[in-house]
Amino acid sequence: AQSVTQLGSHVSVSEGALVLLRCNYSSSVPPYLFWYVQYPNQGLQLLLKYTSAATLVKGINGFEAEFKKSETSFHLTKPSAHMSDAAEYFCAVSDGGGSNYKLTFGKGTLLTVNP
Amino acid sequence: DAGVIQSPRHEVTEMGQEVTLRCKPISGHDYLFWYRQTMMRGLELLIYFNNNVPIDDSGMPEDRFSAKMPNASFSTLKIQPSEPRDSAVYFCASRLGQGVDTQYFGPGTRLTVL
Repeated sequence: AQSVTQLGSHVSVSEGALVLLRCNYSSSVPPYLFWYVQYPNQGLQLLLKYTSAATLVKGINGFEAEFKKSETSFHLTKPSAHMSDAAEYFCAVSDGGGSNYKLTFGKGTLLTVNP
Repeated sequence: DAGVIQSPRHEVTEMGQEVTLRCKPISGHDYLFWYRQTMMRGLELLIYFNNNVPIDDSGMPEDRFSAKMPNASFSTLKIQPSEPRDSAVYFCASRLGQGVDTQYFGPGTRLTVL
């Protein structure tokens, strides 16, 4: 069974500061990993995904994430936070290479950006 | 493309009433997913379809919940009878089943059962 743990349900940063949102996964097979963002009253939007190619994945809006197999982690970072980054972020894992295309989501991390 | 379309965006109903949520996936996508989001449980997969056929409904909470996909461009999630604990945001998502493709989410339906 797959699972995702997002450390910290709420992260607060100052505008211009580094954003680090943590995600650890558990999977019995090589995983595919995703980060989604949800703005208030909207659906989820894909930020980036890891599909066993390069371990450092670049996404939209200046975000990137690094897949570390030894640490079973897929943390999301952005060098400089903008006010518009305030949203909830979800990490998700999918069974890589199998016929199971279900995503298992973490509980989410609410990012607050202070002026 | 218009993206995944869900209706209604908001639904307020009384306990015991039937509720029907609707979803139009992105044209050409052959997988459709229904999720429920609550503060307590987060984002949960309820059921998903492939080529209009239900593949996994293990996330459907009770027999009060049912989902159908009569054709490739339309799906419904029905709750009958509704209960206050069904209050949540329900999302529909679709994807193209080639490799590890992205799930595209609709804007959601916020359901309140009084």
